[in-house]
Amino acid sequence: NAGVTQTPKFRILKIGQSMTLQCTQDMNHNYMYWYRQDPGMGLKLIYYSVGAGITDKGEVPNGYNVSRSTTEDFPLRLELAAPSQTSVYFCASSYERGLYNEQFFGPGTRLTVL
Amino acid sequence: QKEVEQNSGPLSVPEGAIASLNCTYSDRVSQSFFWYRQYSGKSPELIMSIYSNGDKEDGRFTAQLNKASQYVSLLIRDSQPSDSATYLCAVYSGGYQKVTFGTGTKLQVIP
Repeated sequence: NAGVTQTPKFRILKIGQSMTLQCTQDMNHNYMYWYRQDPGMGLKLIYYSVGAGITDKGEVPNGYNVSRSTTEDFPLRLELAAPSQTSVYFCASSYERGLYNEQFFGPGTRLTVL
Repeated sequence: QKEVEQNSGPLSVPEGAIASLNCTYSDRVSQSFFWYRQYSGKSPELIMSIYSNGDKEDGRFTAQLNKASQYVSLLIRDSQPSDSATYLCAVYSGGYQKVTFGTGTKLQVIP
């Protein structure tokens, strides 16, 4: 199993550009998450999904959108990129959401907005 | 606001010593607790989970939970330079609440 994969690994955007961060998992997990991690900070939840077709906002959803058309894929869309979106983005998945919410993380996408 | 607090460190220990990493949480109804290890430039990796009061051991790692004191810790015995990383504490508080991550403690194991 590849686990959770993310593309691209690195990206530089200009202010106002848009892009999609891709995330795929092959563990048949229903639950998927997008986090951002700023230097010296904890992981902040952007969006999550409890299954295909169902998504909801996390702590910091502004400036982002998601979709979940399949169990495997959970892309994150950045519209009108801003310098404040410079961060490392991690996608994660879990088999359960409740008590045994053990999350598996992808390798991350390092995004710089200039 | 539910919080998970960790000392940012760095915590420096000599090789072979016991490293003790601590985490406190604010939500009394928190139910499950996780420790993730994150090497510099890499993604978090789950190393321990604990759900009930007491100790849970896995190899060189021991997680300790005290719900009355709202405190969870991770002990690493016989610390190795390869244990040098940032350790994130994460807490699940039940229902439809998300998992809340602490900001992490950086551990440095000195050869």
